[in-house]
Order: sequence, then structure tokens, then C-alpha cells
Amino acid sequence: EAQVTQNPRYLITVTGKKLTVTCSQNMNHEYMSWYRQDPGLGLRQIYYSMNVEVTDKGDVPEGYKVSRKEKRNFPLILESPSPNQTSLYFCASSSPSRGAKNIQYFGAGTRLSVL
Amino acid sequence: GESVGLHLPTLSVQEGDNSIINCAYSNSASDYFIWYKQESGKGPQFIIDIRSNMDKRQGQRVTVLLNKTVKHLSLQIAATQPGDSAVYFCAEMSGGGADGLTFGKGTHLIIQP
Repeated sequence: EAQVTQNPRYLITVTGKKLTVTCSQNMNHEYMSWYRQDPGLGLRQIYYSMNVEVTDKGDVPEGYKVSRKEKRNFPLILESPSPNQTSLYFCASSSPSRGAKNIQYFGAGTRLSVL
Repeated sequence: GESVGLHLPTLSVQEGDNSIINCAYSNSASDYFIWYKQESGKGPQFIIDIRSNMDKRQGQRVTVLLNKTVKHLSLQIAATQPGDSAVYFCAEMSGGGADGLTFGKGTHLIIQP
């Protein structure tokens, strides 16, 4: 089954304690992306990656890091989490090189609370 | 700045009625639009898309209309069912799309029995 898998689904942590949210896709997609979703603000892009070893900032990259060492994985790293990073996070993937569509497939989400 | 937004945060309809969810966009360079459905506790799921060279596209029970003159997009859902209850997002993309989508804030569709 084609899917985007995020882990963990729920996470409570404290300010300053480094954490990583993993994302993996099994569709051989080149493009992967991280979004955060906040009430009243909708989905905002944090970082994206167009292929292995190619990453770029989205609209709200401050406080986040990403890496793309393998095509299937795109972890989101919070080196020193702060309470304003409490949010619902989504990973997505797509394959723009296949031309007709750039439909992004989303994971189920990771709800993060930073105390 | 450029933005994509929805007119109403909540839309309540009777089961069996048709629903129309609206979206306004301001980036005239946008050439591709997608509607997503997000059910509670899940990630957004693709419903239907439309390119800027089209005015209308139909799927199963859903139709997307694009009016480029007034930069307006709508999603019509025919004969709404309880399973249609969700938040619906429009998203726009400009250029090659490799830099991702810009999402609207969402409309919560509530189906009343």
C-alpha cells in the first residue's frame, strides 16, 4: 500500500530537548515536504526537498532542520524545541517529474506539544 | 502578499443536499489548483485538481469550477453524505510546482442528518 508514514503520532516534550520526527514514503517520490498546521493559520510549509541531498526552506523554517540522505526518508529535527513549536505536523511526498500532476500525499500527522 | 483563502470557516448542510465550498486566490500566476479533504485525526487527502487552462472538472460526486477572471475556485459536492464531514482546503501552485503548495485556511463542512 502506497503511504507516507510519520513517527511518532503524538509527542510531548520539554523546552530545549532535541527531538526528531521521522517520515518515510514507499512511492519512490522525489519531492518531500514538511508542514505545520495551526488553528486559524492553515497548513504552512517548513522545509521541502526536491531530491536526495537537496533541501530548501519553506515559509516557516526557523527552529527546524531537515535532512535527505535517502530518497524515502525525510526527518524533521527540532534541535531546541520551544513552546511556539507546539503544533500538528504533516509530512508529504509527490513526484513532480512524472509530469501531469503534483499531488502531494500526506502522512497521518504528528501532534507535538512542547512544555 | 499572495494568499489563498476560503470565504467561510464553517458550512453546515443537510444530508442529501449539495454543498458548495468557495476559495479565493490572489496569485494570478497560479496555474494549478487542488482540493484536499481532511478528516478528523488524518492528513489531507487529494480530492480533485484543475489546471488553469480549464474551467470545470468533474469527479465522482465532486466538481471543481475555476473562474480565472475573479480568481475564484469552488468545490461542489453532490448529495452530501455523513462521510463528507471534514475540513476542505484549496491549494494553489504556480510555476513548476516544485516548491510546494500554498494552502487556504480551510472550511469545515458539517453534515446534518
